[in-house]
Amino acid sequence: QVQLQESGPGLVKPSGTLSLTCAVSGGSISSSNWWSWIRQTPGKGLEWIGEIYHGGNTNYNSSLKSRVTMSVDMSKNQFSLKLSSVTAADTAVYYCASLRGLTAMDPNWFDPWGQGTLVTVSS
Amino acid sequence: DIQMTQSPSSLSASVGDRVTITCRASQSISSYLNWYQQKPGKAPNLLIYAASNLQSGVPSRFSGSGSGTDFTLTISSLQPEDFATYYCQQSYSIRTFGGGTKVEIK
Repeated sequence: QVQLQESGPGLVKPSGTLSLTCAVSGGSISSSNWWSWIRQTPGKGLEWIGEIYHGGNTNYNSSLKSRVTMSVDMSKNQFSLKLSSVTAADTAVYYCASLRGLTAMDPNWFDPWGQGTLVTVSS
Repeated sequence: DIQMTQSPSSLSASVGDRVTITCRASQSISSYLNWYQQKPGKAPNLLIYAASNLQSGVPSRFSGSGSGTDFTLTISSLQPEDFATYYCQQSYSIRTFGGGTKVEIK
């Protein structure tokens, strides 16, 4: 059973870059899944940030696209998120998740999720 | 972007009650609709995928229906562990979530 675990700094300064990593255990990151980042705030609820396939294909939320970079490290069985030029509005609980579907070409639902990590943007 | 509207935003119910939550998409999304349960301090957990398919390990009291723009999550007999917040999510065009429905104890 695949398990996901987020890690990274819990505090980032305004205008800085938020960097998070999601470690995948119990399965290979080069399986037929896409890998996603989602964040949650009390004000905006759940917001999909983007997704990456182990081959490097990515899809990003258009509202964040100019600031988001995702990557995969197959040697470490993990994937990462970088969000640049952060402001207080980027303060949220960040989740990584596996995006699955009936076929690899039609990813559809998020399962499982990591436990989430709170990132606060503050000086 | 496709907007997902859930109703109600909260409800109070008793153990044993039948509970229905609705989710409406701003345009047709076929059956690209999934439901999640989230408890305080925890990540969302997949309940239903592709509108009506029960995720493995999820109790059969949960069911989903609908297609196009209107979808329903039903809990046939509410149990104490079901008090939580429920979210719908579409994958027809990129991914967006509904605003959530909080199910509270009456």
